[in-house]
Amino acid sequence: AQTVTQSQPEMSVQEAETVTLSCTYDTSENNYYLFWYKQPPSRQMILVIRQEAYKQQNATENRFSVNFQKAAKSFSLKISDSQLGDTAMYFCAFREYGNKLVFGAGTILRVKS
Amino acid sequence: GAGVSQSPRYKVAKRGQDVALRCDPISGHVSLFWYQQALGQGPEFLTYFQNEAQLDKSGLPSDRFFAERPEGSVSTLKIQRTQQEDSAVYLCASSLREGRGNTEAFFGQGTRLTVV
Repeated sequence: AQTVTQSQPEMSVQEAETVTLSCTYDTSENNYYLFWYKQPPSRQMILVIRQEAYKQQNATENRFSVNFQKAAKSFSLKISDSQLGDTAMYFCAFREYGNKLVFGAGTILRVKS
Repeated sequence: GAGVSQSPRYKVAKRGQDVALRCDPISGHVSLFWYQQALGQGPEFLTYFQNEAQLDKSGLPSDRFFAERPEGSVSTLKIQRTQQEDSAVYLCASSLREGRGNTEAFFGQGTRLTVV
């Protein structure tokens, strides 16, 4: 079974600074997809960024980028120029060539002014 | 609305009561998923529909949980004889095609169920 591990229960960062959230996963599959989701207090999951395992180039979306290390099964999220609105719970998620998402336990990120 | 809609947003049930949670996916979305999110945890998969067909129900924790999507649009998650361990947020997500690859899943705001 696939598992996703987020080893940082909580992180804090000063506004305008950079923070990296860690994620590792375990799978025997070769083709799969990785995602980072943001969940603010409203509870609605919002897709932040996605990565396809067969693509070596790291995905980027504006201030968000990933460091995907396939051999190490690592998928970290870097948030640059942190903003107060980035405060939320962040989940790393995995999807094999199938349907369901497997989520990590989450990291609470607090951006301080 | 344009997003996934779930109702009610909050539900308090007495232990032993039956509850029904509703999900209205984005119009035209083929795939629909239910997840259970315990306090302070990540969501866990419950079940998956492709149109009206329930293709995967491996995550349903017991036979007290039942889901349906009879016309391939609105879905209902029913929990019979609720117990305290059923207290959680229940999230619904839909996606345009069958949920392969990087097809984006859009989530609703969830229903917070509290069993007292």
